[in-house]
Amino acid sequence: DIQMTQSPSSLSASVGDSVTITCRASQSISSYLNWYQQKPGKAPSLLIYAASSLQSGVPSRFSGSGSGTDFTLTISSLQPEDFATYFCQQGYSTVPFTFGPGTKVHIK
Amino acid sequence: QVQLQESGPGLVKPSETLSLNCTVSGGSISGYYWSWIRQPPGKGLEWIGYIYYSDSGDTNYNPSLKSRVTISVGTSKNQFSLKLTSVTAADTAVYYCARLFYSRSNYDWYFDLWGRGTLVTVSS
Repeated sequence: DIQMTQSPSSLSASVGDSVTITCRASQSISSYLNWYQQKPGKAPSLLIYAASSLQSGVPSRFSGSGSGTDFTLTISSLQPEDFATYFCQQGYSTVPFTFGPGTKVHIK
Repeated sequence: QVQLQESGPGLVKPSETLSLNCTVSGGSISGYYWSWIRQPPGKGLEWIGYIYYSDSGDTNYNPSLKSRVTISVGTSKNQFSLKLTSVTAADTAVYYCARLFYSRSNYDWYFDLWGRGTLVTVSS
């Protein structure tokens, strides 16, 4: 299985801050990396696919980059609705698909 | 727009079989991959498996659950279902159904639509 790790596991930030979350794969996954946002009590929703492509309807303050084993999700100007947990997921190896453990973004 | 809705018992006894359905509305279920994913309370996401909704009904499962899982087309033509046998407390989780999108242009796989999830508790 391809193992996904994320750092940090949690962070505190203020509205307007720029935040960066890192995801690392245990082997190269090219650009087959996707990001999801999950708010408490809700299902995850797709933010970014193929490492850097913004899903339709997602605000442009979200951006993704990386390839190979190292990837980042950046939120350029944190908004109140962005306080949530963020997961990465590799789409390179289909059996099994694997997710990172999540990064929780708290209000400072 | 396409919506997904999970349904099924919220409480299952240990050693019994967990059964859930996912109803897809507002769009076609055929020609797409559909998946089940679960999330134990306060924990991360675990992919369970998928079915390709076509004449072949191809399936693929997480090896960690493969011996206990069956995903199949539902009794209604806009449904697919999950069966997980011999459940234990470790199977307590929110179960989500999701559309697994395969991009033929860049070969990426991602979950682009999700149901709201249903909590299944395994307890006697």
